[in-house]
Amino acid sequence: AQSVTQPDIHITVSEGASLELRCNYSYGATPYLFWYVQSPGQGLQLLLKYFSGDTLVQGIKGFEAEFKRSQSSFNLRKPSVHWSDAAEYFCAVGAGSGTYKYIFGTGTRLKVLA
Amino acid sequence: DTGVSQDPRHKITKRGQNVTFRCDPISEHNRLYWYRQTLGQGPEFLTYFQNEAQLEKSRLLSDRFSAERPKGSFSTLEIQRTEQGDSAMYLCASSLGGGVNTGELFFGEGSRLTVL
Repeated sequence: AQSVTQPDIHITVSEGASLELRCNYSYGATPYLFWYVQSPGQGLQLLLKYFSGDTLVQGIKGFEAEFKRSQSSFNLRKPSVHWSDAAEYFCAVGAGSGTYKYIFGTGTRLKVLA
Repeated sequence: DTGVSQDPRHKITKRGQNVTFRCDPISEHNRLYWYRQTLGQGPEFLTYFQNEAQLEKSRLLSDRFSAERPKGSFSTLEIQRTEQGDSAMYLCASSLGGGVNTGELFFGEGSRLTVL
């Protein structure tokens, strides 16, 4: 069965520090992979996506993610975190024909220290 | 604002009452999805429409839940005889089917249900 694991429930970093959020997936075929961010009272916003091609994908707000098939991972990175990045981050894999049925991880809540 | 809109944003109800949520997708999107998110969890897929056809329902969607998309535009999600376990955020999303970028979902801000 398809699944997504985000092993870190909470992460705290200082402003300006680098960030890496982990995501591991289980999926039988080549996955469609996504990272979404959810701020309090806000809807889920797509940060970036991987469908095919270059395994290092760039997203909005300075985020990037690298697809590693051998490790079944799609980790999210940012070189320098801003206080406004504090939010909850969800990794998702597209499952089903047409990738319409996302399977989400349980999320990682990011806290940024000033 | 041309994003996905949901109404109401918050609903408090007593156990046993019926509630209905509405979702207006992005106008050119033919696919519409409902997800449920409980505290500390990621969103879970409930159901999916392509135009007016409901193509899949999750096992999470008990008989008390019904979703419609009568004209292939807006959708409603009704919960009958609500239970405390129904308390959650109900998220609607839409997408434009077809093409290499199939699958990118655009989410609304959600409708939070509290069942007392």
